[in-house]
Amino acid sequence: DQQVKQNSPSLSVQEGRISILNCDYTNSMFDYFLWYKKYPAEGPTFLISISSIKDKNEDGRFTVFLNKSAKHLSLHIVPSQPGDSAVYFCAASPESSGGGADGLTFGKGTHLIIQP
Amino acid sequence: EAGVAQSPRYKIIEKRQSVAFWCNPISGHATLYWYQQILGQGPKLLIQFQNNGVVDDSQLPKDRFSAERLKGVDSTLKIQPAKLEDSAVYLCASSPEGRSNQPQHFGDGTRLSIL
Repeated sequence: DQQVKQNSPSLSVQEGRISILNCDYTNSMFDYFLWYKKYPAEGPTFLISISSIKDKNEDGRFTVFLNKSAKHLSLHIVPSQPGDSAVYFCAASPESSGGGADGLTFGKGTHLIIQP
Repeated sequence: EAGVAQSPRYKIIEKRQSVAFWCNPISGHATLYWYQQILGQGPKLLIQFQNNGVVDDSQLPKDRFSAERLKGVDSTLKIQPAKLEDSAVYLCASSPEGRSNQPQHFGDGTRLSIL
């Protein structure tokens, strides 16, 4: 049973336009959500996160939106750049106050391709 | 700040052999995680340590997988005996202790191929 779902295996976007990556989750205990970016032969790199008490978090070109009632989050990248071409993973965990089990549950990833 | 270090980067063994992976977390990070990433999937948590104690090992196949973090810093993950389905990338991650909602930082992983 997949608790975190990324239904688009790949997404192609023109350079300069907006990239929107989507993620759905089923576990109501998830309270903290993250996006990771992964290049081939490297480990996932943390991109941006959001706590369930917020509905938006912005960091430069990256914005994450959370719709808790719909159990849906999205990552917006604007403007998209060639270096953004990578696999993007959505991940979620229960809230951790330190010392508790807070391992991440990941989606299968979306391969973003930025076309020049 | 140095990142999470893992070795070896690649390992090829035959089924039924044993293998071990090593991880050194970011300095000062008390929480350490091991994940298994099978091709085409997202990483899956195997075990979480807080210092040298196990917090969560519910998804670790304990009949063949074991992990330890004896001094609360470095960690090793062992597979004995290996099966074909263990072919995957094994990722180590770490995060600071005692602070809620901190992102985990990952190493580059060990790619294991079972022949």
